[in-house]
Amino acid sequence: KAGVTQTPRYLIKTRGQQVTLSCSPISGHRSVSWYQQTPGQGLQFLFEYFSETQRNKGNFPGRFSGRQFSNSRSEMNVSTLELGDSALYLCASSPSPSGTGELFFGEGSRLTVL
Amino acid sequence: GQQLNQSPQSMFIQEGEDVSMNCTSSSIFNTWLWYKQEPGEGPVLLIALYKAGELTSNGRLTAQFGITRKDSFLNISASIPSDVGIYFCAGPNLYSGTYKYIFGTGTRLKVLA
Repeated sequence: KAGVTQTPRYLIKTRGQQVTLSCSPISGHRSVSWYQQTPGQGLQFLFEYFSETQRNKGNFPGRFSGRQFSNSRSEMNVSTLELGDSALYLCASSPSPSGTGELFFGEGSRLTVL
Repeated sequence: GQQLNQSPQSMFIQEGEDVSMNCTSSSIFNTWLWYKQEPGEGPVLLIALYKAGELTSNGRLTAQFGITRKDSFLNISASIPSDVGIYFCAGPNLYSGTYKYIFGTGTRLKVLA
């Protein structure tokens, strides 16, 4: 069974640009959550989608957005990039809504903003 | 953002030694998850716990769901060099009417051969 796939693995952007990250969950999983990981703040919840609906959102500015498609694949977008957005962005999938089952992570997309 | 208290923050141990780490929350949890993360990789799920008092093993790893439901423990027996990494705990926090997982600050483990 294929795991969670995130693309791209690495990317470099400059301030003011925007970026789109993609996540393909484990087959059959309907919940996709996104997290930002930085050395100073650890793993911080961005948002969760379940069956194409945003179920929960963390404390991040509106520049961070996401969506989920009918095949459960998800994308997140960050607009007007800032230096502080440099981080490892992790996607996690689960067969059930967050908090009720196990989370399986992808390898992450490492974003560097110059 | 909200995080769980995890200790110790880091530890150096000799190969063959046993390791213990714990995680505490100010809230009651109904699930505890333990992960290991290696450099450049995403966290890998080690053990999931669903019941207070539950003790679950995965090879040399054993985790326990604290009876107060506010803490959890992870033990690694007879550590080996490949146990190096950062270990995270996670639990579901009620937020705006739904649950979202929050994570511990991590325990960085270094094993000396």
